[in-house]
Amino acid sequence: NAGVTQTPKFRILKIGQSMTLQCTQDMNHNYMYWYRQDPGMGLKLIYYSVGAGITDKGEVPNGYNVSRSTTEDFPLRLELAAPSQTSVYFCASSARASGGTWVSSTDTQYFGPGTRLTVL
Amino acid sequence: QKEVEQDPGPLSVPEGAIVSLNCTYSNSAFQYFMWYRQYSRKGPELLMYTYSSGNKEDGRFTAQVDKSSKYISLFIRDSQPSDSATYLCAAAGFQKLVFGTGTRLLVSP
Repeated sequence: NAGVTQTPKFRILKIGQSMTLQCTQDMNHNYMYWYRQDPGMGLKLIYYSVGAGITDKGEVPNGYNVSRSTTEDFPLRLELAAPSQTSVYFCASSARASGGTWVSSTDTQYFGPGTRLTVL
Repeated sequence: QKEVEQDPGPLSVPEGAIVSLNCTYSNSAFQYFMWYRQYSRKGPELLMYTYSSGNKEDGRFTAQVDKSSKYISLFIRDSQPSDSATYLCAAAGFQKLVFGTGTRLLVSP
């Protein structure tokens, strides 16, 4: 199993450009998440999905969009990139919902290696 | 006030030392507590998780939760240079998972 994979690893965007961050998991997990990690700020949830066709906003969704057409893929779209979106983006997946009644390690979120995005 | 607070460090210790990493949280609804380890330029990986108050041990690692004081701890015995990483605590409950900002640990040989 490759686990959670993300592409690209690095990207530099100009203000106003758009791009899609790709995320794929091969663990057949229903739940997938997008976080951004800024220095000193911890992980902030952008969007999450509880299954194919179902997505919902997290804590910091503005400026981003997601889709979930398959169980495996959960791309994150940035429209009109802004310097405030400079960050490291992590995709994660879990077999069960994280944050609810935690039953076992199946609730564990598995993270991808991240995408470092700079907007200039 | 952040729901989960964590000292960013860095915390520098010599090899073999006992390391204590700590977090506090404010939301009484949190029932499950986790420690993630994140190596430089990598994604976080789950190290340990505990439910409610008490201790949990796994090899050199011990996680401790005191719900009365809303205090979460991770102890690392016989620390190794390979333990050098950022450690993030996290708390979960009522459909919410909140991460601390992470503490950077440096273990020198």
